[in-house]
Amino acid sequence: DAGVIQSPRHEVTEMGQEVTLRCKPISGHNSLFWYRQTMMRGLELLIYFNNNVPIDDSGMPEDRFSAKMPNASFSTLKIQPSEPRDSAVYFCASSPGQYYSPLHFGNGTRLTVT
Amino acid sequence: TQLLEQSPQFLSIQEGENLTVYCNSSSVFSSLQWYRQEPGEGPVLLVTVVTGGEVKKLKRLTFQFGDARKDSSLHITAAQPGDTGLYLCAMKQGAQKLVFGQGTRLTINP
Repeated sequence: DAGVIQSPRHEVTEMGQEVTLRCKPISGHNSLFWYRQTMMRGLELLIYFNNNVPIDDSGMPEDRFSAKMPNASFSTLKIQPSEPRDSAVYFCASSPGQYYSPLHFGNGTRLTVT
Repeated sequence: TQLLEQSPQFLSIQEGENLTVYCNSSSVFSSLQWYRQEPGEGPVLLVTVVTGGEVKKLKRLTFQFGDARKDSSLHITAAQPGDTGLYLCAMKQGAQKLVFGQGTRLTINP
């Protein structure tokens, strides 16, 4: 079984550029989560979707961040324009959606903004 | 202010020693999950605890949920280098949202 697939694994970009991170959740999972991990702040929830609908985006830092889930098998997280403080590892996770279900994480995208 | 406090933040011990790490909150957990994360990978679920006072064992790992469901501990017996990683506890907020602690970064030296 393929797990959660994220691309790219690494992204290096210059300040001001647009960055798009991609995620393919596990087939059949109806909840999808985007997290950001840094040494200082740990693992922070940015946004999550249920049945492709955004439920809670209160963790999205500011308007430069946007996320979409056009269908059950694909989601994107976009940063425009990017800033050096956006440098972090971004994780996508999916879940079957039952209350005690675990999250299944991808291997993350390491973003460096110079 | 962190909703979940994990301690210690860093722990480095020798192979064969025992250790305990903690996860605490001022709120009552409906349930708590423990994850382990290795370098370059996403977190992977170890266990879910639901009932106050619950104890679960996973080989050399013992997980305990406090009676008041406001704290949890993870005890590792005879630690091995393969136990090295970031240990994260997480609690549900509402039906789906999962909030993580900062983690304990564990290093087991051969």
